[in-house]
Amino acid sequence: GDSVTQMEGPVTLSEEAFLTINCTYTATGYPSLFWYVQYPGEGLQLLLKATKADDKGSNKGFEATYRKETTSFHLEKGSVQVSDSAVYFCALSDASGGSYIPTFGRGTSLIVHP
Amino acid sequence: DAGVTQSPTHLIKTRGQHVTLRCSPISGHKSVSWYQQVLGQGPQFIFQYYEKEERGRGNFPDRFSARQFPNYSSELNVNALLLGDSALYLCASSLVGGRDQPQHFGDGTRLSIL
Repeated sequence: GDSVTQMEGPVTLSEEAFLTINCTYTATGYPSLFWYVQYPGEGLQLLLKATKADDKGSNKGFEATYRKETTSFHLEKGSVQVSDSAVYFCALSDASGGSYIPTFGRGTSLIVHP
Repeated sequence: DAGVTQSPTHLIKTRGQHVTLRCSPISGHKSVSWYQQVLGQGPQFIFQYYEKEERGRGNFPDRFSARQFPNYSSELNVNALLLGDSALYLCASSLVGGRDQPQHFGDGTRLSIL
């Protein structure tokens, strides 16, 4: 079955540091890829997505590129802020029996210190 | 526009009881999915409904059931509650449930089993 693997957290950074959160996937089909963010006490929010190979999704300074050859979708940001502290989830959406079911990774906690 | 709304926000039950969780999707969204999120893990897919028909089912026991109403709202029912059912239950909606469709999440219902 499909799966998503994320780097273990927490990732602890100082403000304005460079961020990378690694994500790799296995899928039987040709999935769409997503990053979601979850702030404490809230549901998940879509951060960015990419739907085909070499697509780059971007939003709020975050970027991720769909790499089919390495089955990866790493999240990056050039300069993190304290307000970026949250849990980040990598996810894919692949066909399963006529519908498209998202599969999520375990999440990576990001802590940004002033 | 209102986002995905879930009720109740918190619920405490005892083992063996039954629970019903409710979800109203974003206006115009016809697909609703349910997820279970255990602390420290990513969301695990339970069900997906589209136009009142079940389109997908995750690896959960028959104690879990759901339905979607003509107004596209949805209920998740869990019978014979176990301690292991304690989790955050998330509802998500999307326009049509396609491969490229991101999920729009509610803030969840926190279910505690005593």
